[in-house]
Amino acid sequence: EVQLVESGGGLVQPGGSLRLSCAASGFTFSSYGMNWVRQAPGKGLEWVSYITSTSGSVYYSDSVKGRFIVSRDNARNSLFLQMDSLRAEDTAVYYCARGDTASGVWGAGTTVTVSS
Amino acid sequence: DIQMTQSPSSVSASIGDRVTITCRASQDISRWLVWYQQKPGKAPDLLIYRASSLQSGVPPRFSGSGSGTEFTLTISSLQPEDFAIYYCQQVNSFPRTFGQGTKVEIK
Repeated sequence: EVQLVESGGGLVQPGGSLRLSCAASGFTFSSYGMNWVRQAPGKGLEWVSYITSTSGSVYYSDSVKGRFIVSRDNARNSLFLQMDSLRAEDTAVYYCARGDTASGVWGAGTTVTVSS
Repeated sequence: DIQMTQSPSSVSASIGDRVTITCRASQDISRWLVWYQQKPGKAPDLLIYRASSLQSGVPPRFSGSGSGTEFTLTISSLQPEDFAIYYCQQVNSFPRTFGQGTKVEIK
């Protein structure tokens, strides 16, 4: 079964850090670019970051550029999002999603809450 | 950055109704547009890619059209399971951007 499972979310204070993980199974992870997408409570979807299959290129939204770093380990079928200097507005459910021009596979999401 | 604007923000419709949602891009994105459906508490599901290609397993009552800057998602005959929020996303360039969503509600 094709599956993505996020982990690593939690409660963190403003200015703190968190590292999200996304474990892939059921498909050849190293063949796909991967996205992080987030959704603040009661709000719409916001694209956060994309990494190509070989990690050759990475992209970020303006709202996280300079604070978040996306990476992957194809040997471990895993995607990561290192989040530093967290702000209250980063509070959201974070999803990983497979694919470049269409994301047909999504995880269930992990919740990040930034609050003192 | 490319801005995506959906209309309407919400629509009330009855079972069997035809529903059309519009998505406009702030610049030409050719046919690099996807549509997602999201139900409460769930991750989005891919409906349409490349503006008009139906994702495997998606019922044929869903269709997409358009190119350039104007796109539409049509549900030909609304079913109970279609009440959800629908998002368009441009995948022409980075940063990828979503529309603000259209909520399809029961009339």
